[in-house]
Amino acid sequence: AQSVAQPEDQVNVAEGNPLTVKCTYSVSGNPYLFWYVQYPNRGLQFLLKYITGDNLVKGSYGFEAEFNKSQTSFHLKKPSALVSDSALYFCAVRSLSSASKIIFGSGTRLSIRP
Amino acid sequence: DAGVTQSPTHLIKTRGQQVTLRCSPKSGHDTVSWYQQALGQGPQFIFQYYEEEERQRGNFPDRFSGHQFPNYSSELNVNALLLGDSALYLCASSSSQGYAEKLFFGSGTQLSVL
Repeated sequence: AQSVAQPEDQVNVAEGNPLTVKCTYSVSGNPYLFWYVQYPNRGLQFLLKYITGDNLVKGSYGFEAEFNKSQTSFHLKKPSALVSDSALYFCAVRSLSSASKIIFGSGTRLSIRP
Repeated sequence: DAGVTQSPTHLIKTRGQQVTLRCSPKSGHDTVSWYQQALGQGPQFIFQYYEEEERQRGNFPDRFSGHQFPNYSSELNVNALLLGDSALYLCASSSSQGYAEKLFFGSGTQLSVL
């Protein structure tokens, strides 16, 4: 069965510092990996995805994620955090064998202090 | 171009009642997925509809059922409501063209069961 794990419920970072939100996955076959962000009282918004190719993928709002097959990880990163990045972040996975189902992690609350 | 729209935005029901939630997908999308997001949790996959049929289902009881109409809009029905059904219900649309298509989410319907 496919799954994702987000080991940190909350990440606190000072504005201007780099940030990392961690995600590990478990899936049979090649994974399709995603990051979504959720602002209060809103649905989820797509940030970026990894399908194949370069292990470093760039997404919206200056975010990027690094795919590491040996560690089965897909960590979200940003070189310089903004207060407006404060939100709930979800890692998600889809496998080729489960064509339609995308499974989400439990989420990590990112808090950026001024 | 309207995104994914859901109605109603909020709903209060009592145990044992039935509820219907509605979703209109983003223009050009033909696939609709429904997710349940309990407070403090990640979205849990309920099911997905494509070509008016349920294509895949998550680990939810038969009390949860759905429908997709020829115009691709969709309904989620929940019968015999339980207190534990209180959650944010998210609709997500995508296109069946290509692969690993990202999901576009609506803002959700907040269901409270008393």
